[in-house]
Amino acid sequence: QSVLTQPPSVSAAPGQKVTISCSGSSSNIGSNYVFWYQQFPGTSPKRLIYANNKRPSGVPDRFSGSKSGTSATLGITGLQTGDEADYYCGTWDNSLSAGVFGGGTKVTVL
Amino acid sequence: EVQLVESGGDLVQPGGSLRLSCAASGFTFTSHIISWVRQAPGRGLEWVANMRQDGGDKYYVDSVKGRFTISRDNAKNSLYLQMNSLRAEDTAVYYCAREENGFDVWGQGTMVTVSP
Repeated sequence: QSVLTQPPSVSAAPGQKVTISCSGSSSNIGSNYVFWYQQFPGTSPKRLIYANNKRPSGVPDRFSGSKSGTSATLGITGLQTGDEADYYCGTWDNSLSAGVFGGGTKVTVL
Repeated sequence: EVQLVESGGDLVQPGGSLRLSCAASGFTFTSHIISWVRQAPGRGLEWVANMRQDGGDKYYVDSVKGRFTISRDNAKNSLYLQMNSLRAEDTAVYYCAREENGFDVWGQGTMVTVSP
C-alpha cells in the first residue's frame, strides 16, 4: 500500500490526452513539491516533472504537471506509442520523515 | 558526465548481510543528498534511505529501520548501504539517485536477491 495513490493504468488512442492523478495528504503533497518520473521496462527511472509543474530541459512540452491541495496530476497530450511506460509521482512526507512514491501508473497507447 | 554507478548486489540467504556501493562522478558529491531507492520485481518504486551531505541526519523507510545503515565517504565520492538481517521482501533492484529538484540522476541499479 503506497502512501501516494495513483490509478494502476490509463489508456488512450494516439494523439489523445491522458491524465494521471496522484493523491496524498497534508504531510506530503500538501506540504512539499511533487515530482514525476517515467520508467520504461528494464531501465532506470527518468525525472519528468519537478517542483510540481516544471519540465527539465529535453522533456517535451506535451508533458505537464499541476498540484492542488493534497493532489497532483500529470498530463500527457498528443499521446505517442513511445510514451508507453510506467509513471510515478513522488515527494517527501514530513510526518514519516521519508521519501514516498505512488504505486505507479502504466500508460497504454491503444 | 554526471554518473552514479551501483555495485555489490548478489544472491544472499535470508538473515544474511550485504553492502551496496554507489560511486559518483562528474559532479560535486559533497553538494548533494543521495538516496537509495529500490524496486521489487514487477513492483513500483520504494524510497529506502538518504542522509545529509555532511554525514549527519539519516532517514529510513520504516521497513528497514534497525536493519539497514546508510553511510557516505565524501573523500571517495561514494555512498553505501549496509543491509543486515535480510528478508525475502528485500529482494529488489537497488538504485542510488541524486537529489536535485527531485531525483535528477539515477544509477543503473544493482540486483539484490534474498533466497535460501
